[in-house]
Amino acid sequence: QQQVRQSPQSLTVWEGGTTVLTCSYEDSTFNYFPWYQQFPGEGPALLISILSVSDKKEDGRFTTFFNKREKKLSLHIIDSQPGDSATYFCAARSTNTGKLTFGDGTVLTVKP
Amino acid sequence: GGIITQTPKFLIGQEGQKLTLKCQQNFNHDTMYWYRQDSGKGLRLIYYSITENDLQKGDLSEGYDASREKKSSFSLTVTSAQKNEMAVFLCASSPPNTEVFFGKGTRLTVV
Repeated sequence: QQQVRQSPQSLTVWEGGTTVLTCSYEDSTFNYFPWYQQFPGEGPALLISILSVSDKKEDGRFTTFFNKREKKLSLHIIDSQPGDSATYFCAARSTNTGKLTFGDGTVLTVKP
Repeated sequence: GGIITQTPKFLIGQEGQKLTLKCQQNFNHDTMYWYRQDSGKGLRLIYYSITENDLQKGDLSEGYDASREKKSSFSLTVTSAQKNEMAVFLCASSPPNTEVFFGKGTRLTVV
């Protein structure tokens, strides 16, 4: 059973539009939720992260929302740019094991 | 800033062969990880190590061995390469309970 479920698998938006990616999880020991951005041929790089004690974190055009009751989180990208085209992964870390578990990723394409 | 160096970048092996992937980090991080990334899939944890000479199995450890010879290095061995093992192997490191940093990966092809 997949521990972190991410949707959609792929998404195309127009330049200037808003991108919304979502993840859900089951494990109540998860308390740290990073989002990673990966370009072809590169390793994933941290984009933004949130702890389970918060419900929102913003960094420029990127905002992540966390709903502890529903065990869901989302990433919003406003004013999406062609340079944002990449694969995005949500992840979750357990307080018990320290292991970081990833979703399957979303391939984002931003068209000019 | 630091860097994670993975060698080799590309590895071609024969089916059944034993193959070793190497990783070095100069962040001085305690924890190091090996993940496998299949096309269109997320990253799956193979092994991790919270300190020198420590090893912890991840979700995908069968068919792999790992070794943390010193704090800065973490190697992964594919004990018997299989054709369905073509993937990118990513090494990562982190201080306790904070951001995980990734290398650029080793792309494995088994012929």
